[in-house]
Amino acid sequence: EAGVAQSPRYKIIEKRQSVAFWCNPISGHATLYWYQQILGQGPKLLIQFQNNGVVDDSQLPKDRFSAERLKGVDSTLKIQPAKLEDSAVYLCASSSVGRIQETQYFGPGTRLLVL
Amino acid sequence: AQTVTQSQPEMSVQEAETVTLSCTYDTSENNYYLFWYKQPPSRQMILVIRQEAYKQQNATENRFSVNFQKAAKSFSLKISDSQLGDTAMYFCAFMISNSGGSNYKLTFGKGTLLTVNP
Repeated sequence: EAGVAQSPRYKIIEKRQSVAFWCNPISGHATLYWYQQILGQGPKLLIQFQNNGVVDDSQLPKDRFSAERLKGVDSTLKIQPAKLEDSAVYLCASSSVGRIQETQYFGPGTRLLVL
Repeated sequence: AQTVTQSQPEMSVQEAETVTLSCTYDTSENNYYLFWYKQPPSRQMILVIRQEAYKQQNATENRFSVNFQKAAKSFSLKISDSQLGDTAMYFCAFMISNSGGSNYKLTFGKGTLLTVNP
């Protein structure tokens, strides 16, 4: 079974530029999560999708971050414009039905550096 | 709000020895799950072990076991017979559902960097 795929793996941009990250969850997984992991901290949930609907985006900085999950499969997370404090690893995870006992499977992450 | 605290930023252990990583959490909820995730250097995060709060028996997975003390809100991870491949960042995490029953957000601690020395 293929795992969660993410691209790109690394991205360096200057502040005020835009950037987009892509995630392909495990086949058949209905729930998809985007986490932000700043150096020295644990991951923090940005947004959770159930199929193509948003379940929780309470910690997503909506003035600059946006995310979509068209057709309930792949997802894209965008930052526009980027700030220095957005430098972090962006992790995508998926789970099969979003029940509390379901394991979240993580992708390798995209490491973003904003200069 | 729920919080997860890992008080040990770094730990080291000799190969084949046993090590215990600490985690405490704060919540007013009664039903929740606790997890330990492992993040090896430059590799993706994987689940090590999980514990349902309603279960009194401590979870075990091969060399990994937990000591779950619900009243003390403590959830420590014991790694027996440590191996070089256990070197990683270990995150303690907590999950409850919201009132709608579909939001299963993981709240993570800051992590403990474990180094296993040969």
